[in-house]
Amino acid sequence: GAVVSQHPSRVICKSGTSVKIECRSLDFQATTMFWYRQFPKQSLMLMATSNEGSKATYEQGVEKDKFLINHASLTLSTLTVTSAHPEDSSFYICSASRQGGYGYTFGSGTRLTVV
Amino acid sequence: DAKTTQPPSMDCAEGRAANLPCNHSTISGNEYVYWYRQIHSQGPQYIIHGLKNNETNEMASLIITEDRKSSTLILPHATLRDTAVYYCIPLSSGSARQLTFGSGTQLTVLP
Repeated sequence: GAVVSQHPSRVICKSGTSVKIECRSLDFQATTMFWYRQFPKQSLMLMATSNEGSKATYEQGVEKDKFLINHASLTLSTLTVTSAHPEDSSFYICSASRQGGYGYTFGSGTRLTVV
Repeated sequence: DAKTTQPPSMDCAEGRAANLPCNHSTISGNEYVYWYRQIHSQGPQYIIHGLKNNETNEMASLIITEDRKSSTLILPHATLRDTAVYYCIPLSSGSARQLTFGSGTQLTVLP
């Protein structure tokens, strides 16, 4: 079955630093990847959609200069949280879909804590 | 995308069937009903999806009413590992569609 690997699973960083989260589709080509954020006791909220080789499309209210998304290949997308602040502490989850397919495969998530 | 209504929480005894309802009265004709679940601190997991007909796979059964305004996810023999938040999500066919998560139902399977 389709597998999406997300790393790291947990990261603690100091305020003002940047953190990169990787999302890889291991056994399929992901034409579209999605990045979600989830705060405690809340549902997943879509941050952005990225298509391979194109600029990401960000949801309203999500700062594109703060959350940099790169989808340079059909198997890898990265989310970089720049100049992280404590309010960026959250659970970040990626999801991938394949061309012509249906259903989405999710990564295991990254717990980011900014201190 | 159609809006959904799910009960915020449900309990189920281990070994019994868990029936999780979802109301999606504004669903359009080309929208499938997808079900995902999220175990605490993990990424969501696909369970099942359907358009009109009832569906069954190794994880669950999906019953969709004839008017497609509601559906029920059935876990035939719930185990403790089925404790999770279950999301019902209408999704249109086509490429590059995005899943929009509502608040879901917290299912707690009790020993």
